Amino acid sequence: DVKVTQSSRYLVKRTGEKVFLECVQDMDHENMFWYRQDPGLGLRLIYFSYDVKMKEKGDIPEGYSVSREKKERFSLILESASTNQTSMYLCASNKQPQHFGDGTRLSIL
Amino acid sequence: AQKVTQAQTEISVVEKEDVTLDCVYETRDTTYYLFWYKQPPSGELVFLIRRNSFDEQNEISGRYSWNFQKSTSSFNFTITASQVVDSAVYFCALSHDMRFGAGTRLTVKP
Repeated sequence: DVKVTQSSRYLVKRTGEKVFLECVQDMDHENMFWYRQDPGLGLRLIYFSYDVKMKEKGDIPEGYSVSREKKERFSLILESASTNQTSMYLCASNKQPQHFGDGTRLSIL
Repeated sequence: AQKVTQAQTEISVVEKEDVTLDCVYETRDTTYYLFWYKQPPSGELVFLIRRNSFDEQNEISGRYSWNFQKSTSSFNFTITASQVVDSAVYFCALSHDMRFGAGTRLTVKP
């Protein structure tokens, strides 16, 4: 079974902090994705990566960056957290179909 | 640009009713995949089906069926004889960059 692990289930941070969300997959997948999920808006693609050290912007990359130094790990970085980044963040790997992590519910106070 | 539209925000039915969830997509790609995912109250996303753009044959899996019509850019999902356990948010998605629709929240009442 494919396992996509997100480092935290719940996270509370303060405005202006630098926040790291980690995602690890154990199936040697090339493709990894970060989404945020907000009520009524579905899953919106933030960034994705098709290979190590490769990244592509999704629909809402502003305020975020990513890092893919190793194939199994894809990190989402909030450079300076703001309250409008309070959301559920979902990581996925592979592509067809995607396998999702359990999500990180991030609150920015 | 790729886009997925799920116009139905919420649907409520009574158990044993049939229900259809609509999905309309936009893409310039000639080859693409379409997906449906289920997100139950527990929160995990569960893959239901993948459909290749070259395969317009409808698919049935138990009480679930999918109607793919390339001419109208639609990929609709029907649940026959709905059950309470079908209550969830359902998402339609489009490759290659895996864009999702906003989701339809289905509530099945006993």
